[in-house]
Amino acid sequence: AQKITQTQPGMFVQEKEAVTLDCTYDTSDQSYGLFWYKQPSSGEMIFLIYQGSYDEQNATEGRYSLNFQKARKSANLVISASQLGDSAMYFCAMREGLRGTGANNLFFGTGTRLTVIP
Amino acid sequence: DSGVTQTPKHLITATGQRVTLRCSPRSGDLSVYWYQQSLDQGLQFLIQYYNGEERAKGNILERFSAQQFPDLHSELNLSSLELGDSALYFCASSGRQEYGYTFGSGTRLTVV
Repeated sequence: AQKITQTQPGMFVQEKEAVTLDCTYDTSDQSYGLFWYKQPSSGEMIFLIYQGSYDEQNATEGRYSLNFQKARKSANLVISASQLGDSAMYFCAMREGLRGTGANNLFFGTGTRLTVIP
Repeated sequence: DSGVTQTPKHLITATGQRVTLRCSPRSGDLSVYWYQQSLDQGLQFLIQYYNGEERAKGNILERFSAQQFPDLHSELNLSSLELGDSALYFCASSGRQEYGYTFGSGTRLTVV
């Protein structure tokens, strides 16, 4: 079973509008972390936002917020006031419970390509 | 600059050859992760090293190997290269925090 599912291969949004990118996850661990990364056409992976499984508040970072619904196992990314520079691939990722010393690897979804229309 | 340095940025080589990709983690980070991003497979976890020891293994082929040296830099060795190995190879590093995975800019490998 896929650990991270992103069901939207592509999304379009008008400049200055808000957009939600969907992400669902699958884990039996109680402690885990959820991440969103942005990959522009230049290829680098840019960290956007993090949500821990025990965090009671939804994470926010500037125009990015994470809509965390634990019971539904969803961690949707909301981008407010979209800008042309937001056009990129967006990946949702999960780190499962810490095992031993040090952090564990991330599992990635297949990504959503966001296009911002002027 | 993310603090994670990958070299080279681009590599073109022929089938059957061997290449080495290098990664220097962010200062203070003990864990190094290697990922392969290809068009049809997405981002696949290959292997993790923590303070010089192999910690976790993902979908890494037997033709591929990696190591982490005492100075914490890591190398990913790819041998008997095939056309299907063409991909973007990322290195990431992390510290003791639950979050804070930092990616390098990647090495784009083209096998011809």
